[in-house]
Amino acid sequence: QVQLQQWGAGLLKPSETLSLTCAVSGGSFSGSYWAWIRQPPGKGLEWIGEINHTGSTNYNPSLKSRVTISIDTSNNQFSLNLRSVTAADTAVYYCVRDTLGSAYFFYWGQGTLVTVSS
Amino acid sequence: EIVLTQSPGTLSLSPGERATLSCRASQSITSSYLAWYQQKPGQAPRLLIYGASSRATGIPDRFSGSGSGTDFTLTISRLEPEDLAVYYCQQYGSAPFTFGPGTRVDIK
Repeated sequence: QVQLQQWGAGLLKPSETLSLTCAVSGGSFSGSYWAWIRQPPGKGLEWIGEINHTGSTNYNPSLKSRVTISIDTSNNQFSLNLRSVTAADTAVYYCVRDTLGSAYFFYWGQGTLVTVSS
Repeated sequence: EIVLTQSPGTLSLSPGERATLSCRASQSITSSYLAWYQQKPGQAPRLLIYGASSRATGIPDRFSGSGSGTDFTLTISRLEPEDLAVYYCQQYGSAPFTFGPGTRVDIK
């Protein structure tokens, strides 16, 4: 059974960098894409981007200039960095795993609420 | 980018009734790469349907999906009180992968 456990700072000031990490257990790290999705309070879901075990990435063009997703295969972890945050980046951030190379998501992390406020 | 619209915005039905949720895409979705999720308050979304019509592991058979091209439907055949949730469609045929705005299902 695949489990995703995520952590990171929950309160940031504008212009700071959001950093979250997701640890994967119970499944193979290779052969899948690992992604981040976010959800502003009371709103819908937005796909941020993804990475595979080789480090190949795809990003949402709306965030591409500020996002970096990285992977640490030795520790079965992947991370999200989002630079120059504003209040509009306030959201619950989820780490997820795709399914057999297709970007629908059965496995989700528990979610981390990140609030950006001065 | 493929834009998804969902209707209605809110659906209020009684237990045992049939719920029909619609998801329409701004362009045809490759190979029916359309998924549905259920999200209850305070929880992460749960995958219900993938490939437009395949139920995910552990999903009751009262949930079914259909459609192709630009028009897709999620049907809940007999509503249960625990089906109170927001339902999202998502396309994964073309990056960036996008979600619809959701349909809220209220139980009378």
